[in-house]
Amino acid sequence: SAVISQKPSRDICQRGTSLTIQCQVDSQVTMMFWYRQQPGQSLTLIATANQGSEATYESGFVIDKFPISRPNLTFSTLTVSNMSPEDSSIYLCSVVGNGYTFGSGTRLTVV
Amino acid sequence: AQSVSQHNHHVILSEAASLELGCNYSYGGTVNLFWYVQYPGQHLQLLLKYFSGDPLVKGIKGFEAEFIKSKFSFNLRKPSVQWSDTAEYFCAVSYSGNTPLAFGKGTRLSVIA
Repeated sequence: SAVISQKPSRDICQRGTSLTIQCQVDSQVTMMFWYRQQPGQSLTLIATANQGSEATYESGFVIDKFPISRPNLTFSTLTVSNMSPEDSSIYLCSVVGNGYTFGSGTRLTVV
Repeated sequence: AQSVSQHNHHVILSEAASLELGCNYSYGGTVNLFWYVQYPGQHLQLLLKYFSGDPLVKGIKGFEAEFIKSKFSFNLRKPSVQWSDTAEYFCAVSYSGNTPLAFGKGTRLSVIA
């Protein structure tokens, strides 16, 4: 299975600022997925990121709020823009290949 | 769209009791099924998965799950729970190898002495 390095592991941010989360995979993967886990909730898919094309966003998530980059087959970033306390969540990336692998998550607190 | 239902929001068991957590999915075609566990303050860990073959799947830490296609179910079981099994359990489904997982809302398991 692929190994994912996700950074940062946690951050505390001021409202109105932006945070960029990075995921580096140790092998080339076609598709990467970004999820959000709000406190006490399950995982919700934010978007699917393919290399060389625009990310596909799920209902309720927009590119202006959650821009995603996918410059190559081993790397992706998710930015949480103009943050508010409601954005406080764990954000995870995931890839598929012989099963699904998840990054260790970024625990974001917006104050 | 595929959906996943976990019937129990919070289950409280005594140590050594048997566990069964329900999971049902909505998609009628070929599915891949997963159970994940999330211990307090930790990230997701895969317990077991089903792609095809024997519908009774054995996972880590003594967990198993049975895929019953006619019931669209993939229930998680453990014969005797331990205090260390206290965690959140998530059922997840994908309908092909390259689609994202859809997660159920999770079941919180509390094991008491």
